[in-house]
Amino acid sequence: QKEVEQDPGPLSVPEGAIVSLNCTYSNSAFQYFMWYRQYSRKGPELLMYTYSSGNKEDGRFTAQVDKSSKYISLFIRDSQPSDSATYLCAMSVNTGNQFYFGTGTSLTVIP
Amino acid sequence: NAGVTQTPKFQVLKTGQSMTLQCAQDMNHEYMSWYRQDPGMGLRLIHYSVGAGITDQGEVPNGYNVSRSTTEDFPLRLLSAAPSQTSVYFCASRGPGGTEAFFGQGTRLTVV
Repeated sequence: QKEVEQDPGPLSVPEGAIVSLNCTYSNSAFQYFMWYRQYSRKGPELLMYTYSSGNKEDGRFTAQVDKSSKYISLFIRDSQPSDSATYLCAMSVNTGNQFYFGTGTSLTVIP
Repeated sequence: NAGVTQTPKFQVLKTGQSMTLQCAQDMNHEYMSWYRQDPGMGLRLIHYSVGAGITDQGEVPNGYNVSRSTTEDFPLRLLSAAPSQTSVYFCASRGPGGTEAFFGQGTRLTVV
């Protein structure tokens, strides 16, 4: 079983839609949960991170962590064509430890 | 700051050839790592280093060597290239207590 599972999509939505991206994981020791955005032919860039459970909001982006269900989500409100990218979730036990990445979800926002 | 710089951006190798992928960072980060990214497999850790002179294996280390003689540089060596090593390779660095990994632009490697 993989440490982190993520639906690869692809996901296609109209501009302005709310997007929900999700990952599940098996290691209950994970405490740091991150979302990276990767544009085509570029390296991933950190979008948001959350420590332990709860919600975190940054502009149009909201990250949620449910440790009891081992489930994390990223919501994008008022999606824009510039949000078209692959979104990767990542997790680690500690900040000094290895990151475990999901396979990424490809998102296209249609104008 | 240039961040993390990888060279080359593209490379075609013949089976059995060796090569070194270069990675340099100018953020004085101790933690550096190499990943490969394959369709449907995501980012998989090859090797990592927590400081100069210290390296360790990740999830998929076979066929690759690393060394870390300086804080800035972390080269990845392919010893005898195989078609299974066709992939996109990313180098990343991370600061102390950091949740943010800074990635390079990637090296697209094809082994024929």
